Amino acid sequence: EAGVAQSPRYKIIEKRQSVAFWCNPISGHATLYWYQQILGQGPKLLIQFQNNGVVDDSQLPKDRFSAERLKGVDSTLKIQPAKLEDSAVYLCASSLVREGEQYFGPGTRLTVT
Amino acid sequence: GQNIDQPTEMTATEGAIVQINCTYQTSGFNGLFWYQQHAGEAPTFLSYNVLDGLEEKGRFSSFLSRSKGYSYLLLKELQMKDSASYLCAVKDNYGQNFVFGPGTRLSVLP
Repeated sequence: EAGVAQSPRYKIIEKRQSVAFWCNPISGHATLYWYQQILGQGPKLLIQFQNNGVVDDSQLPKDRFSAERLKGVDSTLKIQPAKLEDSAVYLCASSLVREGEQYFGPGTRLTVT
Repeated sequence: GQNIDQPTEMTATEGAIVQINCTYQTSGFNGLFWYQQHAGEAPTFLSYNVLDGLEEKGRFSSFLSRSKGYSYLLLKELQMKDSASYLCAVKDNYGQNFVFGPGTRLSVLP
């Protein structure tokens, strides 16, 4: 069974630029999560989708971050414009059901200079 | 809201036993998860507790007390490859809020 795929793996941008991350969850997984993990901290949930609907985006900085999950499969997370404090690893995870075990992708390491 | 506490760092010796504690305060509870994360890698699932008691899985065991808002992860027969961060995560009643603790960085020494 293929795992959660993410791209790119690394990205370096200057502040005020835009960036987008892509995630393909495990086939059949209805729930998809995006997390931000700053070095030395635990992952922080940004947004949770159930199929193509948003379940929780309470910690998403909506003035600069946006995410979508078209057709309830792949998802993209965008930052526009980026700030220095957005430097982190962005993790995508999926689970079969909302309460279930999450499977994580390899993450995208973003550096904003 | 939710608040999760874990010790920041722990050190143990190869072959020994170590217990990593996690305390939480939540507005509801629908399960507690433990994940392992090696440096530079994504978290991987270790265990899940929703009822009080001990869940054993090989060298790893996890305990939950819902009345005390407390869990621990027990690692036996430590190996060098167990050096990693261990993350405690809690879900609320509706499975809508999923919060990770800060993680405990475990170093296993020879």
